Amino acid sequence: SQKIEQNSEALNIQEGKTATLTCNYTNYSPAYLQWYRQDPGRGPVFLLLIRENEKEKRKERLKVTFDTTLKQSLFHITASQPADSATYLCALDGSGGSYIPTFGRGTSLIVHP
Amino acid sequence: SAVISQKPSRDICQRGTSLTIQCQVDSQVTMMFWYRQQPGQSLTLIATANQGSEATYESGFVIDKFPISRPNLTFSTLTVSNMSPEDSSIYLCSGGTAYEQYFGPGTRLTVT
Repeated sequence: SQKIEQNSEALNIQEGKTATLTCNYTNYSPAYLQWYRQDPGRGPVFLLLIRENEKEKRKERLKVTFDTTLKQSLFHITASQPADSATYLCALDGSGGSYIPTFGRGTSLIVHP
Repeated sequence: SAVISQKPSRDICQRGTSLTIQCQVDSQVTMMFWYRQQPGQSLTLIATANQGSEATYESGFVIDKFPISRPNLTFSTLTVSNMSPEDSSIYLCSGGTAYEQYFGPGTRLTVT
């Protein structure tokens, strides 16, 4: 069955460093992949979408890569700040031709001042 | 973008009762979805709310338990019927497209 894996352990980094989060998937051939940010007590907020024919996408301090051979996406936040602390979810378009994305469990990022 | 509000933000309900959650979008959106999220878990799609027709439910969710309405392009309701403690969760609505969704703040439901 299709599976999305995100590290369940929180990522702790120091302010100013680059945070790198991983999203692995199996039994998928997604046409696109999305990243969302979720703060405690709030709904997810859309950050970026990358399509299968795109290797990399950037938005301000964010960079996403998409390797369909490795079945992996990396999400980078450069010059991280304590305000970047949140849970980051990846989502892939649904299996079996469904266009509705399926979400991973998310990885918590904690940026220490 | 779109701003989505939900009511109520939280509720504590007794077993066997029903709760209706409202979702309002500040602009017309193509699609609206209802999700459930347990703490520390991923979002589980309950159904796609279709305007003027029956919602499309995901496997494991049925209309009798989770009736959904969507009378127009900016409003939807989800009812959690005949609640049990297992229904305790955060319920989120979203709107937009499959490529970019805007989420409400969620409704935290506790069933005692």
